[in-house]
Amino acid sequence: AQTVTQSQPEMSVQEAETVTLSCTYDTSESDYYLFWYKQPPSRQMILVIRQEAYKQQNATENRFSVNFQKAAKSFSLKISDSQLGDAAMYFCAYRSAPGATNKLIFGTGTLLAVQP
Amino acid sequence: KAGVTQTPRYLIKTRGQQVTLSCSPISGHRSVSWYQQTPGQGLQFLFEYFSETQRNKGNFPGRFSGRQFSNSRSEMNVSTLELGDSALYLCASSLDSGPGELFFGEGSRLTVL
Repeated sequence: AQTVTQSQPEMSVQEAETVTLSCTYDTSESDYYLFWYKQPPSRQMILVIRQEAYKQQNATENRFSVNFQKAAKSFSLKISDSQLGDAAMYFCAYRSAPGATNKLIFGTGTLLAVQP
Repeated sequence: KAGVTQTPRYLIKTRGQQVTLSCSPISGHRSVSWYQQTPGQGLQFLFEYFSETQRNKGNFPGRFSGRQFSNSRSEMNVSTLELGDSALYLCASSLDSGPGELFFGEGSRLTVL
């Protein structure tokens, strides 16, 4: 069975600074997808960034980028130029590629605080 | 374009009762997934429906059930409620499986007394 681990329950960053959130996963599959989702307080979860395992290039979405290390089964999220609106719970998630499924396996989350 | 709509947003039940939660996906989305979010267990997959068929199921007891209608709207039901069923229940919709984005609703917060 696949597992996702986020070892940082809480993180804090100063506004305009850079922060990296860690995520490791365990799987025996060779093809899969990885995601970072953001859940602001009392608001719905939204997708931040996604990575397809077969792509070697790290995904980037504006101020958000990932460091995908397939051999190490590591998928960290870097937030550059942090903004107050980035404060939220961040979840790393795994989805199998083979077969038809939208089942996500989530990590326990990292609560990010942004200090003004 | 309207997002994923979940109703009710908040509800309080007592042990032994049953509850039905509703999810209306984004128009055109045929896949609806349900997740339970609790402080202790985190986010756990309940089940997924695609074109009215359950195509994946999580490790939850049979008290948890769901269905999907021809218009893709989905309901989940929890019977014989237990205190541990208190949680935020999230619904997510997508066009299909693959690397596409799952769009989440705001959730239904269930409190069991």
